[in-house]
Amino acid sequence: QKEVEQDPGPLSVPEGAIVSLNCTYSNSAFQYFMWYRQYSRKGPELLMYTYSSGNKEDGRFTAQVDKSSKYISLFIRDSQPSDSATYLCAMSYNTNAGKSTFGDGTTLTVKP
Amino acid sequence: DVKVTQSSRYLVKRTGEKVFLECVQDMDHENMFWYRQDPGLGLRLIYFSYDVKMKEKGDIPEGYSVSREKKERFSLILESASTNQTSMYLCASSSPDGSTNEKLFFGSGTQLSVL
Repeated sequence: QKEVEQDPGPLSVPEGAIVSLNCTYSNSAFQYFMWYRQYSRKGPELLMYTYSSGNKEDGRFTAQVDKSSKYISLFIRDSQPSDSATYLCAMSYNTNAGKSTFGDGTTLTVKP
Repeated sequence: DVKVTQSSRYLVKRTGEKVFLECVQDMDHENMFWYRQDPGLGLRLIYFSYDVKMKEKGDIPEGYSVSREKKERFSLILESASTNQTSMYLCASSSPDGSTNEKLFFGSGTQLSVL
C-alpha cells in the first residue's frame, strides 16, 4: 500500500465549478502538506502548503488538512481554463520539502 | 524569479550508453534534488545534495550516480542506461530558511527514452 494515495482522475469540469482534489495518507508522522500544480511539459510548482491540521486560503484556492482522518484536500473555487493541469499532493515529516512523499497526481481539465 | 534549468528537454539514448543529465540553478540554493516521474508511481527521489561535493541516496538510487562540483550545478549520471530508466527526470533546488517549510523549485524536466 502506498503511503500517499491521490484520487486518480482525470477530472473534467465546466468553467466556474468548484473543484475538490483529495489525498489520503497512512503515516501519522507527516506534519507538512503541500499541493503542487504541474502544467503539461513543465515541472511542478508549489501552490500551497499547510503545517499540521487546519485550513489555508489563498485567493480561489483553499487547502484543508484533517490529521485525525489522514486526509487532505485542495478546493478550487470559480475554476478557470487556466487551472487545467495536474495537481500533486505531497507530505513531509519536517521542513525538508525535497524529501516529501508525493501522490501520483490528478489531472484536471476545466472546459470553457 | 528562481530558475532551475535542465539542459535537455528530450533525450533518446541506446541501452548501455552512459548518460549525463545536467541541472543548473541561479539562486545560490544549498539543496538540490533529482527525481524521476512515472505514471502511477508519482515523483520518486533518486539522489540529493546539501552542499558541494556532498551527495546522499534517495529512495531509488540504483543505477544512478550524481556529481556536484559547483554549488549551482547538479548532474545525474546513468552509468549504463537500461530501458527501465526511460522516464521523466526532474531536478529541483531549495534553500532552508529555518522557520518554514522549504520551497522547492523544479526544472521543466528531461524526458529520457532508452531504446
